[in-house]
Amino acid sequence: EIVLTQSPGTLSLSPGERATLSCRASQSVASIYLAWYQQKPGQAPRLLIYRTSSRASGIPDRFSGSGSGTDFTLTISRLEPEDFAVYFCQHYGSSPIFTFGPGTKLDI
Amino acid sequence: QVQLQESGPGLVKPSQTLSLTCTVSGDSISSGGNYWNWIRQHPGEGLEWIGYISYSGRTDYNPSLRSRVTISVDMSKSQFSLKLTSVTAADTAVYYCAKDQGFGWLFDWGQGTLVTVSS
Repeated sequence: EIVLTQSPGTLSLSPGERATLSCRASQSVASIYLAWYQQKPGQAPRLLIYRTSSRASGIPDRFSGSGSGTDFTLTISRLEPEDFAVYFCQHYGSSPIFTFGPGTKLDI
Repeated sequence: QVQLQESGPGLVKPSQTLSLTCTVSGDSISSGGNYWNWIRQHPGEGLEWIGYISYSGRTDYNPSLRSRVTISVDMSKSQFSLKLTSVTAADTAVYYCAKDQGFGWLFDWGQGTLVTVSS
């Protein structure tokens, strides 16, 4: 089973700043199977990035993803007030099919 | 645009069976390539994949829950369902249904429904 860890647990930044969120896999994973989600309180997760670096439909270009092997990064170039949320990385593999990281909370 | 909506009891007694339904609109539940998933989120915590049923009726479950989970589909109603037996307080969570087009990510989600296990 692939285990995903995310760091930091909480990231405190201000609007306009750059955010860098990390996701590390317990073993090397295929980059096509790494995705990122944003979740705001009381809402379902929203897909941001799939295949490590492809933005989902409707996602602003200030969101970008990168990485390979065991280390992946979600970058938000200039934080907007609506970006303060929890971010999860996700891997698609086998048994279990979907695994999620514990999340990074992006705080103002 | 596909929409998913969870429904079911918000309160279940310990040792009983949790039953939820996800109604799909805007897409055919039997469309080739689609995988219909259940995911849960314990209060204040991360996401846990429960299992899926495919467009062809194939199922797969999280090994940690496999002995207690059944996911089924009713194509005539465009619904798929989750049954989780012998629940305890540890099963208290928000339960989401979500669609995977077979690529390994979840673009479409229901709004989620909170299920509390308590006597």
